[in-house]
Amino acid sequence: EVQVVESGGALVQPGGSLRLSCAASGFTFSTYAMHWVRQAPGKGLEYVSGISRNGDGTSYANSVKGRFTISRDNSKNTLYLQMGSLRTEDMAVYYCAREGYGDGTLDYWGQGTLVTVSS
Amino acid sequence: DIVMTQTPLSSPVTLGQPASISCRSSQSLVHSDGNTYLSWLQQRPGQPPRLLIYKISNRFSGVPDRFSGSGAGTDFTLKISRVEAEDVGVYYCMQATQSWTFGQGTKVEIK
Repeated sequence: EVQVVESGGALVQPGGSLRLSCAASGFTFSTYAMHWVRQAPGKGLEYVSGISRNGDGTSYANSVKGRFTISRDNSKNTLYLQMGSLRTEDMAVYYCAREGYGDGTLDYWGQGTLVTVSS
Repeated sequence: DIVMTQTPLSSPVTLGQPASISCRSSQSLVHSDGNTYLSWLQQRPGQPPRLLIYKISNRFSGVPDRFSGSGAGTDFTLKISRVEAEDVGVYYCMQATQSWTFGQGTKVEIK
């Protein structure tokens, strides 16, 4: 069974840093691109960042470029999102999602992890 | 960036009746490889998003056949042939032709 499980969400002060993790199982992690999508409280979905299968290609939303870094460790079947210079508008549930191979879609999503940015 | 616009934003429906959601993109979603990367997601209350439809009209594994997708170019539609109680939630269109963007979401609720 394909599973992705996020962790690392916490309460952090504005300007602070946090690292999210996403543990994958039930599929060959190294053969799939992976992504982060977030959802602010009561709002819609917003694309955050994505990474290629081997990690040599990354993409970021303009809203997080220069502050967030996506990475992966294929030996640990884990995706990461290093978040820095956090702002109140970064407060959201962060979802990890797998990109369906060749289908241009996000086919499996985790339950999400909540990041709260507040003083 | 490609902007995705959904209508309506709210859709009260009667159980057993059909429902339809439209999604329009600010530019064509036909990729240079010939595919159109338009998907539909369902988010039930308190749940993460779930993939329903990909590449306009392909139902994902386990998705009931009362869900169908259609469209081309910049105009796309998700139809539910007979709404059931478990279909309540917010539906999003998503494009992956040029980066990734989502529609605002359409809330489906029972009258």
